[in-house]
Amino acid sequence: EDQVTQSPEALRLQEGESSSLNCSYTVSGLRGLFWYRQDPGKGPEFLFTLYSAGEEKEKERLKATLTKKESFLHITAPKPEDSATYLCAVQAGTGGFKTIFGAGTRLFVKA
Amino acid sequence: DADVTQTPRNRITKTGKRIMLECSQTKGHDRMYWYRQDPGLGLRLIYYSFDVKDINKGEISDGYSVSRQAQAKFSLSLESAIPNQTALYFCATSDTGTVNQPQHFGDGTRLSIL
Repeated sequence: EDQVTQSPEALRLQEGESSSLNCSYTVSGLRGLFWYRQDPGKGPEFLFTLYSAGEEKEKERLKATLTKKESFLHITAPKPEDSATYLCAVQAGTGGFKTIFGAGTRLFVKA
Repeated sequence: DADVTQTPRNRITKTGKRIMLECSQTKGHDRMYWYRQDPGLGLRLIYYSFDVKDINKGEISDGYSVSRQAQAKFSLSLESAIPNQTALYFCATSDTGTVNQPQHFGDGTRLSIL
């Protein structure tokens, strides 16, 4: 069964304390892995797309990496404004359209 | 103005009522989607449409229907609402081209069914 699991469910950091969020997946025919950020009362906002193992993408304090089984979202020296829920999603399958979202990791960064 | 606009933003209604949630977009995308989000669960796909004449069921389509009135408009209906349809509903769009294009989301409709 295709599945996407994110861990931890919640993460509390001090400002400047670097850490990583994990997204593990079991799908057939990976077409792409996406990271989104979701603020309270808002829809998810696109951050990155990763297509193949070994690929990395960076944006400000965020860096996403991909292996054949999982993706990491590394947050370097986070600031309070990085507090949000981070969602991972996988597009899979050899035909049709199939996107599977993880439940998300809620990140809290304290000043 | 938002690129993907959902109306209403909040709705409280009673069991058995018919409800329509509307989505309009100014991104010029052909592909549109409806998802629901529940606490502790990922976003789950209800219906999607790759162009005006194309409608497809998603993972959890039972109890829902959709209408694609134009390239820019995609509405979701609950014909007879039930309490377990209480959730946060999101509309999204994506560009054509390769399948793995990112999706762009509206800010959601919070729906409560009593």
